[in-house]
Amino acid sequence: SQQGEEDPQALSIQEGENATMNCSYKTSINNLQWYRQNSGRGLVHLILIRSNEREKHSGRLRVTLDTSKKSSSLLITASRAADTASYFCGANNLFFGTGTRLTVIP
Amino acid sequence: GAGVSQSPSNKVTEKGKDVELRCDPISGHTALYWYRQRLGQGLEFLIYFQGNSAPDKSGLPSDRFSAERTGESVSTLTIQRTQQEDSAVYLCASSLQVLANTGELFFGEGSRLTVL
Repeated sequence: SQQGEEDPQALSIQEGENATMNCSYKTSINNLQWYRQNSGRGLVHLILIRSNEREKHSGRLRVTLDTSKKSSSLLITASRAADTASYFCGANNLFFGTGTRLTVIP
Repeated sequence: GAGVSQSPSNKVTEKGKDVELRCDPISGHTALYWYRQRLGQGLEFLIYFQGNSAPDKSGLPSDRFSAERTGESVSTLTIQRTQQEDSAVYLCASSLQVLANTGELFFGEGSRLTVL
């Protein structure tokens, strides 16, 4: 069974806006990772945050982690049409949520 | 190879038949994972290999599912007596990691299984 949940399930924004996706998990973690999946393809790793970290940046991506609430958020700034994809969080590489489907409208 | 390779990319089979799905991980990656993704759903962990340690089979949904890995190379996922609910994309990922479940995963493109 899946032990992760992302919300929202779907998000539609205009190009240039910021997109925020949230993830909650149930287990204790060593790390949490965010992945992107284009339709029908494999997942691509975006960013890893360790359990002793609270925030991490990579380019237009910002990830936060709150282990007390067992939650994480992914912020994509200045979104582009090419960011359209599904985004998943994975806890310890074992537990993945159902994903957030992001659509960026040009 | 440059990435994780999976074959076949698509497989259509009849209910009750056995299928084998293959994964070639990135050379040197000690960890290998199998996941199942049903249409519109997230990833379900199936099994995890780490070096020469006993695999973590805790995600296998039934005894019809099994997987093997030869050393730190190729892995095969076998589904016996396939059922329609086995229809899904089966994703393989490998990782260069020292500690369990800590490394960045590199995914293959998946094997799409359709059971008629």
